[in-house]
Amino acid sequence: NAGVTQTPKFQVLKTGQSMTLQCAQDMNHEYMSWYRQDPGMGLRLIHYSVGAGITDQGEVPNGYNVSRSTTEDFPLRLLSAAPSQTSVYFCASSRQGIYEQYFGPGTRLTVT
Amino acid sequence: AQTVTQSQPEMSVQEAETVTLSCTYDTSENNYYLFWYKQPPSRQMILVIRQEAYKQQNATENRFSVNFQKAAKSFSLKISDSQLGDTAMYFCAFMKHGSGGSNYKLTFGKGTLLTVNP
Repeated sequence: NAGVTQTPKFQVLKTGQSMTLQCAQDMNHEYMSWYRQDPGMGLRLIHYSVGAGITDQGEVPNGYNVSRSTTEDFPLRLLSAAPSQTSVYFCASSRQGIYEQYFGPGTRLTVT
Repeated sequence: AQTVTQSQPEMSVQEAETVTLSCTYDTSENNYYLFWYKQPPSRQMILVIRQEAYKQQNATENRFSVNFQKAAKSFSLKISDSQLGDTAMYFCAFMKHGSGGSNYKLTFGKGTLLTVNP
């Protein structure tokens, strides 16, 4: 089991560029989510999904899109990157009814 | 909406001593889960301990234990026999209990940076 994997580990973007952060899990978990971590802010929920084809917004969804076409994958898209999106991004997954969430290793994104 | 407050941005402790990290939360829910996560310099989020609100008994995991005071909405973490490897950022987190996707959302505090000194 690879658990939750995220790619890339590091990324630098220029303002206005677009990119997709990848997240995959091999545990057949129904629930997946994206968080961002900023200094002094803890982790904040961006978007989440309870299964393939179902997504919903979290606390800070603006500027991000998600889709869930398969159980395994939950990519996060930045359509037009802004410096305010400089952060560390974590993907997490859990099985329905089990409240422990498994986190990926994170992606550090810098937008200049 | 739920809020989680960690009032200690930084703490330090000597190796082998005991340290307690504080966490308070605000919610109108009666059934929920509380967690402590550890984030070492590697950045990986690691679950340390979990407490179900309906359980009166405080959770323990080896050297880690909690003091859960539901009426006071307090959830502190005690680390006994501190080790150098305990140096990390510690986050307190809240999750509602129940079915539905929104009940899997974690609300985090801002974290406490713990340094264990040799």
